[in-house]
Amino acid sequence: ILNVEQSPQSLHVQEGDSTNFTCSFPSSNFYALHWYRWETAKSPEALFVMTLNGDEKKKGRISATLNTKEGYSYLYIKGSQPEDSATYLCASPSTGTASKLTFGTGTRLQVTL
Amino acid sequence: DAGITQSPRHKVTETGTPVTLRCHQTENHRYMYWYRQDPGHGLRLIHYSYGVKDTDKGEVSDGYSVSRSKTEDFLLTLESATSSQTSVYFCAIRAGQGENIQYFGAGTRLSVL
Repeated sequence: ILNVEQSPQSLHVQEGDSTNFTCSFPSSNFYALHWYRWETAKSPEALFVMTLNGDEKKKGRISATLNTKEGYSYLYIKGSQPEDSATYLCASPSTGTASKLTFGTGTRLQVTL
Repeated sequence: DAGITQSPRHKVTETGTPVTLRCHQTENHRYMYWYRQDPGHGLRLIHYSYGVKDTDKGEVSDGYSVSRSKTEDFLLTLESATSSQTSVYFCAIRAGQGENIQYFGAGTRLSVL
């Protein structure tokens, strides 16, 4: 089973703060790295899929970078808003097959006024 | 919502009884997945299907079976429910053939007493 780790487990920031969190994954046999956003009482929704070393993706105030050589990805949120409160999951295809994703345990972000 | 419907949305059952959860999709996707979500564990794959009558195990498949007799339906069965199977169950589909972006159903909350 692929080992995908996320840190921190949870984060509490004030509105307007910028924040970032980390996803670590094995750098050997890298295929892709996914980020999902999961709001309470809803379903996970895909944010980004990243495949190339040095990739940077952006969606509004949220962006992500990828370093496949050292096995990590950062997710950044600029100027956090209360609606950004959610759990952010990363996932990578399981060893040997791209058909299954192994998810990290997530970073739970809470943004308060 | 990618045309995914899970039923039932909530279920309470007793230890030792059989339980079947249904995932229905309307967009003819080949791949379908069942996950469970538990505190501290994120999303863990139970079983997945890559076509009619083609299924494979995930990382937490013990105590679960699945069936896919037609493209649109993927059933998850707990043959004899145990309290450790109390969880929220999510069905997902894989969109397209490339990057395995997954779209999730609304989830089924199962309580085994």
